[in-house]
Amino acid sequence: DVKVTQSSRYLVKRTGEKVFLECVQDMDHENMFWYRQDPGLGLRLIYFSYDVKMKEKGDIPEGYSVSREKKERFSLILESASTNQTSMYLCASSLFAGQGSNQPQHFGDGTRLSIL
Amino acid sequence: GENVEQHPSTLSVQEGDSAVIKCTYSDSASNYFPWYKQELGKGPQLIIDIRSNVGEKKDQRIAVTLNKTAKHFSLHITETQPEDSAVYFCAASIRYSSASKIIFGSGTRLSIRP
Repeated sequence: DVKVTQSSRYLVKRTGEKVFLECVQDMDHENMFWYRQDPGLGLRLIYFSYDVKMKEKGDIPEGYSVSREKKERFSLILESASTNQTSMYLCASSLFAGQGSNQPQHFGDGTRLSIL
Repeated sequence: GENVEQHPSTLSVQEGDSAVIKCTYSDSASNYFPWYKQELGKGPQLIIDIRSNVGEKKDQRIAVTLNKTAKHFSLHITETQPEDSAVYFCAASIRYSSASKIIFGSGTRLSIRP
């Protein structure tokens, strides 16, 4: 069974802090994703990565960056946290099965981040 | 840009009755349509998915239908049970050059009344 582990379930940080959210998957998946989930808005893609050291912007990348130094680990970085980044953050991974071939995404249980 | 619309946002059904959730998508190139269930305190979990070369797929009490012409797809849950209470998300693939990107609907909170 695929396991996607997010390092923290709950996190409280202050405005202006640099915040790191960590995600590890154990199934050797090429693709990894970071989403934020807000009520009534569903899941919105922040960044994704299809290979080590590769990253692509999603729909709402402003204020965020990512790092993928190893295949199994994908980090989300809030460069200078602001109150409007209070949200649930979800990490996911999926297998790459060829160009245009979609495979299921497997999610972690999320990190609820509060910025005070 | 591409989007996925999902209705209703909340749904309450009597235990044993059926529940239907509907989604529409905008990208005619979409070819993969997963459905996720999210229970309280958990991440979304895939419950069923369908690809564009198939019109219907069933897995026990859950079925999904796809109408590519109209660009809509639906989730049907029959004989609902209390453990079906959760938030359900539909999603559609977006053609992208380097990774499998999907766009999610806004979610449906399903409540099963005993």
